Amino acid sequence: AQSVTQLDSHVSVSEGTPVLLRCNYSSSYSPSLFWYVQHPNKGLQLLLKYTSAATLVKGINGFEAEFKKSETSFHLTKPSAHMSDAAEYFCVVSERGATNKLIFGTGTLLAVQP
Amino acid sequence: EAGVTQFPSHSVIEKGQTVTLRCDPISGHDNLYWYRRVMGKEIKFLLHFVKESKQDESGMPNNRFLAERTGGTYSTLKVQPAELEDSGVYFCASSHYQASRETQYFGPGTRLLVL
Repeated sequence: AQSVTQLDSHVSVSEGTPVLLRCNYSSSYSPSLFWYVQHPNKGLQLLLKYTSAATLVKGINGFEAEFKKSETSFHLTKPSAHMSDAAEYFCVVSERGATNKLIFGTGTLLAVQP
Repeated sequence: EAGVTQFPSHSVIEKGQTVTLRCDPISGHDNLYWYRRVMGKEIKFLLHFVKESKQDESGMPNNRFLAERTGGTYSTLKVQPAELEDSGVYFCASSHYQASRETQYFGPGTRLLVL
């Protein structure tokens, strides 16, 4: 079975400092991995996705993630945090099959301090 | 292009009542998914439609939940009778193709509170 583990439930950074949100995955085959973000009282928005084309994936708003098979990781990073980045972030794996349902991590709440 | 829309945005009902949630997917998307996040838990899959057919309903918690997608357009999710543990946020998502690499586009969710 496929799964993702988000290693931090809460992360707090200062504005202008780097962001690192950690995610490990478990999969018996090459996975499709996603990062989604949910701002307060908003829906889920796709930040980026990995589909085996390139291990370094660039997303929206300056975020990127690197797929590391040897470490089974797909960490999300951003060089410089902005106040508007404060939100909840979800690491997600797609279950291959007839449904392709998404399996979510437990979420990481990112706080950005001024 | 309009995104996925959900109605209502919030619903507060009493235990034992019935609630119907609606989802309008992106036009042309054959695949429609329902997910749910109950308090303190991760977002979990409920079911998947391909056009009007249920492809997978393995995540439906029990027979108090009934989902339909008449005509392969919008979908409804009815909870009857509602219980306290049904409280949470119900998300709908849609995608054009059925593939693991395909992006699922989410609606804003319906926040359901059962008192």
